[in-house]
Amino acid sequence: DAGVTQSPTHLIKTRGQQVTLRCSPKSGHDTVSWYQQALGQGPQFIFQYYEEEERQRGNFPDRFSGHQFPNYSSELNVNALLLGDSALYLCASSMDTPKTYEQYFGPGTRLTVT
Amino acid sequence: RKEVEQDPGPFNVPEGATVAFNCTYSNSASQSFFWYRQDCRKEPKLLMSVYSSGNEDGRFTAQLNRASQYISLLIRDSKLSDSATYLCVVNIFSGGYNKLIFGAGTRLAVHP
Repeated sequence: DAGVTQSPTHLIKTRGQQVTLRCSPKSGHDTVSWYQQALGQGPQFIFQYYEEEERQRGNFPDRFSGHQFPNYSSELNVNALLLGDSALYLCASSMDTPKTYEQYFGPGTRLTVT
Repeated sequence: RKEVEQDPGPFNVPEGATVAFNCTYSNSASQSFFWYRQDCRKEPKLLMSVYSSGNEDGRFTAQLNRASQYISLLIRDSKLSDSATYLCVVNIFSGGYNKLIFGAGTRLAVHP
């Protein structure tokens, strides 16, 4: 049973560029949440997708957007990258409410913006 | 004020020591509580859920005090392999949906 997978593992981008990160949820899960974890901090909630719709969003600007596909996989897009966007981006999958708090994390994508 | 606050540490302890981590949360709508473990440059992994009655899993004991909005984790007989960052997590159910809020984590280093 495959767990949560994310790609790519590492990424280096330049300020102003755009990036797309990908996530495949654990088998049987239909809800995907994205988090940003800066160095020395806990994961910060970006948004959550269910049935191809964004249904919750944290305090992140519109430069952060996402998508969920019919097979439940998801993408996180970040436009106009800033140095401060350098972080570990984590995807977590779960079953729908009320079990969305039981989240399983992928290994993350480490994004470096130069 | 952060929604979930933890002592960042690091806690440097010898093998065999007992160490306790504390966490406070500010949102009284928090419904469920967890401790996650995160190894260096790895993803967080659920260590244990936390209940008001207190719960134990081997050398690990977690406690919740809803009145004080306080959560604790006790590790007995520390092992070298316990070295990691421990994240305090609360689940807030709002608008029909669950959302996990993470603390910044407490670093534990166990030395021989």
